[in-house]
This record gives sequence, structure tokens and C-alpha cells, in this order.
Amino acid sequence: QSVLTQPPSASGTPGQRVTISCSGSSSNIGSNTVNWYQQLPGTAPKLLIYSNNQRPSGVPDRFSGSKSGTSASLAISGLQSEDEADYYCAAWDDSLNGPGYVFGTGTKVTVL
Amino acid sequence: EVQLVESGGGLVQPGGSLRLSCAASGFTFSSYEMNWVRQAPGKGLEWVSYISSSGSTIYYADSVKGRFTISRDNAKNSLYLQMNSLRAEDTAVYYCASSILVYPNDAFDIWGQGTMVTVSS
Repeated sequence: QSVLTQPPSASGTPGQRVTISCSGSSSNIGSNTVNWYQQLPGTAPKLLIYSNNQRPSGVPDRFSGSKSGTSASLAISGLQSEDEADYYCAAWDDSLNGPGYVFGTGTKVTVL
Repeated sequence: EVQLVESGGGLVQPGGSLRLSCAASGFTFSSYEMNWVRQAPGKGLEWVSYISSSGSTIYYADSVKGRFTISRDNAKNSLYLQMNSLRAEDTAVYYCASSILVYPNDAFDIWGQGTMVTVSS
């Protein structure tokens, strides 16, 4: 299965807007919805965005997602210190070898 | 409370076997698909395997195909991962995860706390 490509790092000062990109292909992002996960150090991942742009209950509206073609992005507006974490995009991949769920390479967000 | 709790991790020698379990509570386990996801130390997330609610449909990542077997016992509200022919590169925290509250969307909104598997001589 293929892997989705993300920038290794992103940063911003409190209150700024940070955007994370996620690049895939026609077999994953191009034909399936994108999800985003946040992982704080030493904890299990937490679902942040599902179905490209939907927020689960309890996720602040500072987090937003979008998708276009074979790429997706996560935006964090009004950056806060507690947003410092690793972020992963993910999607199902309709591979010829059989379906699989692929994660992005991960982006570490630092609040300066 | 919807909850997943993994167990069964530990230290195993290369070539050895280990069976992980995931106990589900707070929801009708037999109605939901389940997955295993792992994370090697200092690395990113890697999906391992999927099983449908009835157990009739199963998928594996290429990296574990032929060595790992996913299964479930709906009567016991439990998910399993039988891991054979273990390699050093299988060393990771293993999570069970599922789409419960956001179902039928295919996102993992419920995760266990993870269980550590270390493959080393």
C-alpha cells in the first residue's frame, strides 16, 4: 500500500493560522474521503476531522479540513499551545493488492 | 463509556509468536468493523489489519500478510491479532481502533491505549 505525503514539520506563533498538506493518489485520496488525526506525546491518536471536513463532537472549530483532487489539507486557525502535536492524514486505498488504510507520513506542529 | 483495551504485548524473540487481544465495552461490538494499527518507536502510524463486523471480510497490510491473523469473538466482545514469524521491524505499540460514534464514516474515532510489542533477542 502507498503512503500519503505530508511535510515533516510546521510551526507558528499563538493565534496564527497553520496549514498542513497531504498528497496522495487516485487510488486513495482521489477516490475516498480523508481523515485527520492528532497525536499528543505518549497518547493514542485522536480523530480530528473525518469525511474530508467534518469535526467529531468536541473538536474545536479552529480545526478545519478540505480536499481537492488527490490532495487534502488541515488548517489550524488561532493556534494554541495545546495544539503542539503530531498530525496525520489518512484514507482508504483501493489498491490492486486489496484495500488498505494508509496514513500520511506525519507532521509535527510546533507552537513558537 | 465506549472503550477499547488492548493486552498481550511483551518481549518476544525473532521468529516467535504473540497473540494480542482487544476488549470492547460500551457499544454493540458485533455491529462494528475493527482494525489494528501500529506505531514503531519514534515513527508514524501504520495500519495493520481490518475485520468486518461478522468476520467474513479481512484485509492485511502487505508488511504482515501471511504472518499475522486477525479474528474476533463477538460473543466475548473481543478482537485478536495472532502474530507469527515476528521480526525486529514488528516492534511497535499496537492499537485497536474502530469507527463507532462517527459510523458509518470510515474514520477511527475510538482507539485503545495500545500495547507494546518488542521483538528482540
